[in-house]
Amino acid sequence: EDQVTQSPEALRLQEGESSSLNCSYTVSGLRGLFWYRQDPGKGPEFLFTLYSAGEEKEKERLKATLTKKESFLHITAPKPEDSATYLCAVQANQNNQGGKLIFGQGTELSVKP
Amino acid sequence: DGGITQSPKYLFRKEGQNVTLSCEQNLNHDAMYWYRQDPGQGLRLIYYSQIVNDFQKGDIAEGYSVSREKKESFPLTVTSAQKNPTAFYLCASKPWQGGFSQPQHFGDGTRLSIL
Repeated sequence: EDQVTQSPEALRLQEGESSSLNCSYTVSGLRGLFWYRQDPGKGPEFLFTLYSAGEEKEKERLKATLTKKESFLHITAPKPEDSATYLCAVQANQNNQGGKLIFGQGTELSVKP
Repeated sequence: DGGITQSPKYLFRKEGQNVTLSCEQNLNHDAMYWYRQDPGQGLRLIYYSQIVNDFQKGDIAEGYSVSREKKESFPLTVTSAQKNPTAFYLCASKPWQGGFSQPQHFGDGTRLSIL
């Protein structure tokens, strides 16, 4: 069964304290892995797409990496405005003509000044 | 600005009542999706549509219905058969994918509660 697991469920950091969020996945052929940011009461905001192992993407203080079994979202010198829930989702290759995504349960990040 | 508009932002349902959530997009996207989000759980797919006048059930379609009469609109009806409708409902859309997978883009959701 295709599955996505994110860890930790919650992460509290001090401003400037770098860390990483993990997304482990088991799918029958990966077509794409997506990272989203979600603020309270809002819809998810797209951050990155990763397609193959070894790929990396960066945006400001965020860097996403991908291996054959997991993805990491590295946050360098975070600021309070980076506080949000970060969602990971995968699109499997097989039996997926509709482009369906499988979501993890998210990591709630809190950055204190 | 192009985007996805969901309305209303908050909705209350009485027992035995059907309610309809609106989702409109002006991104010219082909595919549209409805998700349900509950605390501590990942987003779960309710229904999706790849083209006008066609839609498929997702993982938790029971108690819900949809229509896709126009490319830009994909309303979701929560019927009285859905016994636990309290949740945050999210609509998403994406261009029809070519060689690589395109990301889905989301509206800002509708929070449905039971009166």
